[in-house]
Amino acid sequence: QKEVEQDPGPLSVPEGAIVSLNCTYSNSAFQYFMWYRQYSRKGPELLMYTYSSGNKEDGRFTAQVDKSSKYISLFIRDSQPSDSATYLCAMSAGNTGKLIFGQGTTLQVKP
Amino acid sequence: KAGVTQTPRYLIKTRGQQVTLSCSPISGHRSVSWYQQTPGQGLQFLFEYFSETQRNKGNFPGRFSGRQFSNSRSEMNVSTLELGDSALYLCASSLDFRTGLAGNTDTQYFGPGTRLTVL
Repeated sequence: QKEVEQDPGPLSVPEGAIVSLNCTYSNSAFQYFMWYRQYSRKGPELLMYTYSSGNKEDGRFTAQVDKSSKYISLFIRDSQPSDSATYLCAMSAGNTGKLIFGQGTTLQVKP
Repeated sequence: KAGVTQTPRYLIKTRGQQVTLSCSPISGHRSVSWYQQTPGQGLQFLFEYFSETQRNKGNFPGRFSGRQFSNSRSEMNVSTLELGDSALYLCASSLDFRTGLAGNTDTQYFGPGTRLTVL
C-alpha cells in the first residue's frame, strides 16, 4: 500500500463548478501538506501549503487537513478552463527535504 | 527572481550509456532535491543536497548519484542506463526545507524538468 493515495481520475467538470480533490495517507508523522498543479510538459507549481490540521484559503482555492482521519482536500471554486491540469498532493514528516507525492488527479474543466 | 532552471530539457540516450543532468536553484536557495516522475510510479524522491552534502536519499539503486557545488547548483548522474530510467527528472529548490520547524513556510519550487528517453 502506498503511503499517499490519490484518485487519478480523470475528473471532468463544467466551467464554474466547485471541484473537490482529496488524498489519504497512512503515515501519522506527516505534518506538512502541499498541493501542486502540473500542466502538461511543465514542472509542478506550488498552490497551497498547510502545516498540521486546519483550513487555508487563497483566492479560489481552499486546502483542508484532517490529521485525525489522515485526509486532505483541495477545493477549487468557480473553476475555469485554465484550471485544467494534474493536481498533486504532497506531504512531509519534516527535516528530510523529501516530499511524498500522491499519484495526481487529472482535472478537465469544460467551457 | 528567476526560477529553477534545468538543462538539458530533453535527452535521448541508449541503454548502457550514462547521463548527467544539471539544476540551478533559485538565487539564495541552498537545498536542492531531485525527483523522478513516471506515469506508473508518479513522483519519487531521489535525493536532497544542502551545502554540498547529501542529507537524504530515496530508494533508488547506486547508479543514481548526485552532487552539489558551492554555488548550490546541483547535478545528478545516472550510469548504465536502463529502459526503465526513461522519465521526467525534476529538481526542486528551497531555502532550507527543514519542515520540523513549526511555522516554517519554506517550500520546494520545481524546475521544468529534463525529459530523458532511453532507447
